[in-house]
Amino acid sequence: EVQLLESGGGLVQPGGSLRLSCAASGVTFNSYAMSWVRQAPGKGLEWVSAISGSGDSTHYADSVKGRFTISRDNSKNTLYLQMNSLRAEDTAVYYCVKAQRGWYRFDYWGQGTLVTVSS
Amino acid sequence: DIQMTQSPSSLSASVGDRVTITCRASQSISSYLNWYQQKPGKAPKVLIYAASSLQSGVPSRFSGSGSGTDFTLTISSLQPEDFATYYCQQSYSTPATFGPGTKVDIK
Repeated sequence: EVQLLESGGGLVQPGGSLRLSCAASGVTFNSYAMSWVRQAPGKGLEWVSAISGSGDSTHYADSVKGRFTISRDNSKNTLYLQMNSLRAEDTAVYYCVKAQRGWYRFDYWGQGTLVTVSS
Repeated sequence: DIQMTQSPSSLSASVGDRVTITCRASQSISSYLNWYQQKPGKAPKVLIYAASSLQSGVPSRFSGSGSGTDFTLTISSLQPEDFATYYCQQSYSTPATFGPGTKVDIK
């Protein structure tokens, strides 16, 4: 059974940094693209960033480009999201998501980790 | 970016009702359309991928149709566990984009 377990969320001040991790199990991790998708409180879903199975290709939403960096360590079956220059509007639950095929056909989602940006 | 819209934004229905949700893309996305169900406090769960393919383990009362710009999710006979918010999402191009959601609640 595929499991995705996020960690690293918490309260951070505006302008601060945070690194999210997602540990994957039950899957041949390096075979699949992975994404981060976020959901602000009471709002809809917003795709944030994606990385190829090998890690050599990445994509970002305009709203986070230049501030967030996605990476993966296939030897540890772990996905990361380094978030810098955080803003209040980055407050959301962040989900780690596995692609079933291609970049964005999502099948498995983690339980999410809450990031709150506030002074 | 491809914009996704959904209608209605919310609906009230009874157990046993047939429910239809519509999703429209701002440009053609062929069949690169997926549907998700989300319950409060939980992660989304995929129901339909590639517009009309039922994800393994999803009840057959869920079905999807459409191609190009117009898509439909149908629940043939609404069950108590189906009260949730439903999102469409295009996987045709970067950035992946979601519809704003349709909340289905109890009439």
